[in-house]
Amino acid sequence: DADVTQTPRNRITKTGKRIMLECSQTKGHDRMYWYRQDPGLGLQLIYYSFDVKDINKGEISDGYSVSRQAQAKFSLSLESAIPNQTALYFCATSDHYGYTFGSGTRLTVV
Amino acid sequence: DQQVKQNSPSLSVQEGRISILNCDYTNSMFDYFLWYKKYPAEGPTFLISISSIKDKNEDGRFTVFLNKSAKHLSLHIVPSQPGDSAVYFCAATNPQGSQGNLIFGKGTKLSVKP
Repeated sequence: DADVTQTPRNRITKTGKRIMLECSQTKGHDRMYWYRQDPGLGLQLIYYSFDVKDINKGEISDGYSVSRQAQAKFSLSLESAIPNQTALYFCATSDHYGYTFGSGTRLTVV
Repeated sequence: DQQVKQNSPSLSVQEGRISILNCDYTNSMFDYFLWYKKYPAEGPTFLISISSIKDKNEDGRFTVFLNKSAKHLSLHIVPSQPGDSAVYFCAATNPQGSQGNLIFGKGTKLSVKP
């Protein structure tokens, strides 16, 4: 089993719909992150969480929300999806020095 | 304002030659630097890192050099192999700082031609 599992792997949704991307990790790390990758823009941090009761905004949090349901689970929601949220989304977990990424969710908003 | 910059979006190298990927940073609080490699349809995977107390770290064909005064680091791959073709992200952090988040560059796409 992968250390960081993201579901779904691919999703097409319509503008205005609510969608949730899920992430679970088996590394036992406290820190979890959601990143977005757009072509030519690298990885941009959306939200991060250092433990179950901790939620912090990243560089591009507008239009997104997160929930840290347990140490191992961190979900990302788009309350009302818009086409410019079409991107590749990565979840990651870390201790102080090492990040482990999931395989990504390709989201298309039409 | 970009804190981590990879100014070359792409690099093409012949198999067997050296690949040099460059990265610059602006935040002097960064003290730990990492390189990640990403293949299409996969998440980034850790490649090599360096602490600011060092100026070089080597792992097999991969060597990272850090020039703190210039706020510059580079990744050398010798010899380059076709399987090294991927997008390489430079990242920086201050693990003991209040955030400890990784800040990524935009990536450099390396193509190694047989």
